[in-house]
Amino acid sequence: SQQGEEDPQALSIQEGENATMNCSYKTSINNLQWYRQNSGRGLVHLILIRSNEREKHSGRLRVTLDTSKKSSSLLITASRAADTASYFCATDARGAQKLVFGQGTRLTINP
Amino acid sequence: GAVVSQHPSRVICKSGTSVKIECRSLDFQATTMFWYRQFPKQSLMLMATSNEGSKATYEQGVEKDKFLINHASLTLSTLTVTSAHPEDSSFYICSARFSGTGNQPQHFGDGTRLSIL
Repeated sequence: SQQGEEDPQALSIQEGENATMNCSYKTSINNLQWYRQNSGRGLVHLILIRSNEREKHSGRLRVTLDTSKKSSSLLITASRAADTASYFCATDARGAQKLVFGQGTRLTINP
Repeated sequence: GAVVSQHPSRVICKSGTSVKIECRSLDFQATTMFWYRQFPKQSLMLMATSNEGSKATYEQGVEKDKFLINHASLTLSTLTVTSAHPEDSSFYICSARFSGTGNQPQHFGDGTRLSIL
């Protein structure tokens, strides 16, 4: 079952602006991961944050994790047209082999 | 980075045909591979977890006789959609994870778009 919820479902911003996407989940986790999917393609792993970490950076990406609120956010700074894609969070629950994906955020960057 | 190859990328076939999709990890060994289904503008739904050398674990509601999974080696898993019908039309995606310890991301293939006429 899909346990993750993401908001917003869709986000449209101007190039250069920052984009923030949020993810909530329900169970205890080992880690939370963010993926990107371009239309009609597979998923690309962006960043993994472990349950004992609170913030992680990778280039223009910044991910936070609040295990007390069971939520995470993905911030993309200085957005570019090439960032247009769907973004999914996925949780790696304790005791489970599998990832559970959120519903995703469709991000559109307008030039 | 880790590469997962999925083949074919697109299949169009008549109702009643069986279709086999391959998922290969090209530069790493994957004890576990995963098969997902995705409908337009929706998230990924896990269908089954494929374990090398043993039977796949299917998610609730997924017919194991309909969606046959074989994971015969550490680099190859196959999904066969048997006697496919139009309602099986969808985007199927596989992923693989490194063998060994946890806290590893999954690496995804590029997906297979299946269209049943």
